[in-house]
Amino acid sequence: DIQMTQSPSSLSASVGDRVTITCRASQSLSGYLNWYQQTPGEAPKLLIHATSTLQSGVPSRFSGSGSGREFTLTISSLQREDFATYYCQQSYSTYWTFGQGTKVELE
Amino acid sequence: QITLKESGPTLVKPTQTLTLTCTFSGFSLGTNGVAVGWIRQPPGKALEWVGFIYWDDDESYRPSLKGRLTITKDTSKHQVVLTLTNVDPVDTATYYCVRRDRIPAAADYWGQGILVTVSS
Repeated sequence: DIQMTQSPSSLSASVGDRVTITCRASQSLSGYLNWYQQTPGEAPKLLIHATSTLQSGVPSRFSGSGSGREFTLTISSLQREDFATYYCQQSYSTYWTFGQGTKVELE
Repeated sequence: QITLKESGPTLVKPTQTLTLTCTFSGFSLGTNGVAVGWIRQPPGKALEWVGFIYWDDDESYRPSLKGRLTITKDTSKHQVVLTLTNVDPVDTATYYCVRRDRIPAAADYWGQGILVTVSS
């Protein structure tokens, strides 16, 4: 299995803050790293695929970067609707695995 | 417009068989590169990939579920069926039906999810 580790597990931030979430894989992913956003009671939503490609309709304040085993999701200016849990996920292997999630809460 | 919707029982007894159906529209599972599958989320926990069935009839399953899990498709009916035998309370989760295309190699469309509780 490819293990995915996100940090931090949770963070408190204010509207307008810049937020960065890190995801580390147990092996190189060759860029096959995706990010999802989940708000309470809702299905997850794909934000970014292939490390840095923004899914259609996703605001440009979201960005992704990284290579090899380490990746980041950045929200440049946090908006109220961005308070949610974020998951990274690798699709390098046929057997997908997810990080444990990072909950972004209002400070 | 692409949609997926899960249906099936919300309560199943331990050792019984769980059968969930995903009915989708707006795309064909016969298209090269497309897969439909399942991701689950135990209450309060992280997402877990369950498995996929692909346009070419190939299948991939979560290793810990192999032997209990089967995913089948009916391309003409636009349906995918998950069958999980000998369920246990640890299988309690919201089960999401998802679509994956070759690009992106990600779950780009999700159903609303169905909460399945395994309890006697």
